[in-house]
Amino acid sequence: EIVLTQSPGTLSLSPGERATLYCRASQRVSSSYFAWYQQKPGQAPRLLMYAASSRAAGIPDRFSGSGSATDFTLTISRLEPEDFAVYYCQQYGSSPWTFGQGTKVEIK
Amino acid sequence: QVQLEESGPGLVKPSGTLSLICAVSGGSISTSSWWSWVRQPPGKGLEWIGEMYHSGSSTSNPSLKSRVTISVDKSKNQFSLNLTSVTAADTAVYYCARKIRPTSAMDVWGQGTTVTVSS
Repeated sequence: EIVLTQSPGTLSLSPGERATLYCRASQRVSSSYFAWYQQKPGQAPRLLMYAASSRAAGIPDRFSGSGSATDFTLTISRLEPEDFAVYYCQQYGSSPWTFGQGTKVEIK
Repeated sequence: QVQLEESGPGLVKPSGTLSLICAVSGGSISTSSWWSWVRQPPGKGLEWIGEMYHSGSSTSNPSLKSRVTISVDKSKNQFSLNLTSVTAADTAVYYCARKIRPTSAMDVWGQGTTVTVSS
């Protein structure tokens, strides 16, 4: 099973600032099979990025993803108030599909 | 556009069976999509449970495999999850989700349903 470790656990930032979230895999993951999700309290996860760097439908271009092999990054260029949430990475190339433990982006 | 909605008992007794249904609307379950279950214990992260194709092919997380059954009812355009021998550790919000291919991200999610295992 591929273990995904996200860092930092919590990111305290102000609106307008840049957020950089990291996800490290215990084994190589094809970038074709890597995703990021956003989850707000009381809501289901929402797909942000797939194939590491492709934005899902309706996702604004302030969100971008990059990475390969074992190291992946989600960047939010300028935080909007609605971006404060928990973000999860996921690999779906090697079963069982696994998620990271999440990074909380909170208002500073 | 496809929408998903979970339903089922909110309380299950220990050693019992957790049974949930995910109703698919806005599209047919008999498409080239995979239908998944994911759960989230209180205050914790996401865990993939398993998924299936409308033909009946299915796969599940080895950590749960012997206890999980996922099935599809094409006539009702829904799919279901059965999890046997539940314990308090199975208390979670359960989500159903769609994948357009076996190796794709989950692009449509239900709103989730909370299941508590308690006597």
